[in-house]
Amino acid sequence: AQSVAQPEDQVNVAEGNPLTVKCTYSVSGNPYLFWYVQYPNRGLQFLLKYITGDNLVKGSYGFEAEFNKSQTSFHLKKPSALVSDSALYFCAVRDIGAGGYQKVTFGTGTKLQVIP
Amino acid sequence: GAVVSQHPSRVICKSGTSVKIECRSLDFQATTMFWYRQFPKKSLMLMATSNEGSKATYEQGVEKDKFLINHASLTLSTLTVTSAHPEDSSFYICSARAPGQGNSYEQYFGPGTRLTVT
Repeated sequence: AQSVAQPEDQVNVAEGNPLTVKCTYSVSGNPYLFWYVQYPNRGLQFLLKYITGDNLVKGSYGFEAEFNKSQTSFHLKKPSALVSDSALYFCAVRDIGAGGYQKVTFGTGTKLQVIP
Repeated sequence: GAVVSQHPSRVICKSGTSVKIECRSLDFQATTMFWYRQFPKKSLMLMATSNEGSKATYEQGVEKDKFLINHASLTLSTLTVTSAHPEDSSFYICSARAPGQGNSYEQYFGPGTRLTVT
């Protein structure tokens, strides 16, 4: 099975500073990777994806992620954090579920706290 | 576009009763819908994959008879928690894939339903 790991339960960053939320992956074949964000008591919102092409992927709300094959990483980044970016961030990977259906497997999530 | 709704947003039920949660794709037809359960420490667990007109495919360890999933139309899937127990209390989230996405595998998520079993 494919999997992603998010090594940090929480990341704190000061407003205006750059932020990084880490994700590493373990896949067989070509990885299809995603980042989602979840605000309190809300469903998940899609931020960006990597399927093929440029290693730097740009997404919603000024976020970007860098695909690094040699380090098997797909870290989420933003040049300047906003207080409103405070949320739960999930890295995810395309996987195959029971019965052979395509599915997405999520990491355990990283809580981002942006401090004013 | 690509909006998914869930109803109810919150529900409290007594132990032993059943509760139904609806998931609707509002502006697209979803051939595949997914049901997740989110535990208090954040992890998101896929419970089952629901395909319109066929039986749901459950992930390992998920009780089929307890969590009944019906995908009756291209815009509606329901999750019924039968004989609910307090340990079923959780945040249940559905998602849907729009057709024609090819290999993008983007999913559109509902806002979630908070179930509390007393």
